[in-house]
Amino acid sequence: RKEVEQDPGPFNVPEGATVAFNCTYSNSASQSFFWYRQDCRKEPKLLMSVYSSGNEDGRFTAQLNRASQYISLLIRDSKLSDSATYLCVVNWDDYKLSFGAGTTVTVRA
Amino acid sequence: DAEITQSPRHKITETGRQVTLACHQTWNHNNMFWYRQDLGHGLRLIHYSYGVQDTNKGEVSDGYSVSRSNTEDLPLTLESAASSQTSVYFCASSESGTGRDTQYFGPGTRLTVL
Repeated sequence: RKEVEQDPGPFNVPEGATVAFNCTYSNSASQSFFWYRQDCRKEPKLLMSVYSSGNEDGRFTAQLNRASQYISLLIRDSKLSDSATYLCVVNWDDYKLSFGAGTTVTVRA
Repeated sequence: DAEITQSPRHKITETGRQVTLACHQTWNHNNMFWYRQDLGHGLRLIHYSYGVQDTNKGEVSDGYSVSRSNTEDLPLTLESAASSQTSVYFCASSESGTGRDTQYFGPGTRLTVL
């Protein structure tokens, strides 16, 4: 079983739409959770950390459900520039991170 | 500005050759990591280091080695390149001492083994 599982998508949405997707993780001892963004096989870049109470960063909202071991990301008012692959990332030991395979989002004009 | 660089950015080599991929960071981070990324997989950890002279195996370490002689560099060596090692390789670094480390990634090296 993979440590972090994501729906690969793709999610094709029009500009201005809201898109949301989840990932699940297997390690109940994980303490740190992140969403990273990756463009066209370039390097992953941190989008946002995910906190227990949920958090927002502009049009992006992340939620964590520890009981069910899933993390969600919601993007409001989608922009063309939001087209990317979103990686769900969970720590599993010390400073090591486990990465999901990514969810691809394509925003169309 | 602090950064993390990788070289070469692209490399084509032949089966059986030794290949070394360079990673250099100016963040002064203690932690450094090497990953490979293949279609359909998330990034998979090859080796990591928590400081000078410290190296550890990750989940896919067979056929790879690293050394850490200073804070800034963690070169990755493929002892005898195999076609299965064709992949995109990312180096990353992070601070130590916190529970919510952000890893900063280099631009990647695309390696093809023929």
